[in-house]
Amino acid sequence: KAGVTQTPRYLIKTRGQQVTLSCSPISGHRSVSWYQQTPGQGLQFLFEYFSETQRNKGNFPGRFSGRQFSNSRSEMNVSTLELGDSALYLCASSLGEPNEQFFGPGTRLTVL
Amino acid sequence: DQQVKQNSPSLSVQEGRISILNCDYTNSMFDYFLWYKKYPAEGPTFLISISSIKDKNEDGRFTVFLNKSAKHLSLHIVPSQPGDSAVYFCAASAYYEAAGNKLTFGGGTRVLVKP
Repeated sequence: KAGVTQTPRYLIKTRGQQVTLSCSPISGHRSVSWYQQTPGQGLQFLFEYFSETQRNKGNFPGRFSGRQFSNSRSEMNVSTLELGDSALYLCASSLGEPNEQFFGPGTRLTVL
Repeated sequence: DQQVKQNSPSLSVQEGRISILNCDYTNSMFDYFLWYKKYPAEGPTFLISISSIKDKNEDGRFTVFLNKSAKHLSLHIVPSQPGDSAVYFCAASAYYEAAGNKLTFGGGTRVLVKP
């Protein structure tokens, strides 16, 4: 079974631009969660989508948004990029119940 | 407010010996706990999990212990191997259907296994 895939793997943007990251979950998984990892803040929850609905949201500004499609693939968007948005963005998928989340390799975003 | 804490930022252990990683949590609503292993620039790899109805779960060289009264869990790796050198994160979840599957992570413990 293929794992979680994320595209692109690396991205360089400048302040003020916007970016869209993509995540394809493991086949059969209906829940997709997004996390941000930075050296200072560690791994922080952004939001979770289940059956195309946002079920939970972390403590991030409205510039961070996401969506999920009917095939469970998910995208997250960050608008008006700031230098502090430079991070590793991780996507995780699960069946949706309280069980393991499986992570993709991440997208390394650098904002200049 | 850091709800999940890993108080040891690093751990060094000899190959073949036991590695013990600790994790404390404050939120009594957490009912599912997981350990992940992470290499730089990669996503975390799931290792082992435990539900709050259990106090121990084993999978090969990995055993997780949960002490609910102390709000403490630990991961034992026996025997430790050089390939186990990585950063280990504990994570906790308080699942209910409306809120879904949010994981709260500790800050990580860097493990170095010396040959």
